[in-house]
Amino acid sequence: GDKVKQSPSALSLQEGTNSALRCNFSIAATTVQWFLQNPRGSLINLFYLVPGTKENGRLKSAFDSKESYSTLHIRDAQLEDSGTYFCAADKAGNTGKLIFGLGTTLQVQP
Amino acid sequence: NAGVIQTPRHKVTGKGQEATLWCEPISGHSAVFWYRQTIVQGLEFLTYFRNQAPIDDSGMPKERFSAQMPNQSHSTLKIQSTQPQDSAVYLCASSRQGRDSDYTFGSGTRLLVI
Repeated sequence: GDKVKQSPSALSLQEGTNSALRCNFSIAATTVQWFLQNPRGSLINLFYLVPGTKENGRLKSAFDSKESYSTLHIRDAQLEDSGTYFCAADKAGNTGKLIFGLGTTLQVQP
Repeated sequence: NAGVIQTPRHKVTGKGQEATLWCEPISGHSAVFWYRQTIVQGLEFLTYFRNQAPIDDSGMPKERFSAQMPNQSHSTLKIQSTQPQDSAVYLCASSRQGRDSDYTFGSGTRLLVI
């Protein structure tokens, strides 16, 4: 089954609104990374998380290892936030390779 | 810091031919990862080097795929006898130490096998 499940799979937002993306893990995730794949295809690292929260500008992310989920909150969405957001987990006992979800495709509309 | 550099950006190869993809990690990063991205499968792990030594190749198709890291400044992924199902974006990433450090991805090589 899916080890890293992302929801929703697609999302459309009006510019200036807020939203939250979620990852649920069926593995014992120890760290989580969030990436944005822009329309050119580049994967940009947004956050590296151990259990806890981090904030960077309009983005805030949390990782709860006990409840096996992570969230990414986008505040005041801008057109340049459009793209596909991936979460990825490194599981206990792993070598360091990441297991990726299938992504959430976000379209921010003017 | 030029980031992780992958060459070529695009490659078209005929079925049965060989394809070699190159990756230059960020200077000072000891871990290099290769992933493959397709619409159907998403991002799949292929293989991983740390300090140039192969650590985990559990994602590599055994028969036609091989990866090397001859020195700390580059890694190669070679696909022999390419097949149409090998068409994908191949992504290389590096990190400072592998476990417990964040990844930086290159821009990828888009491989098309015709």
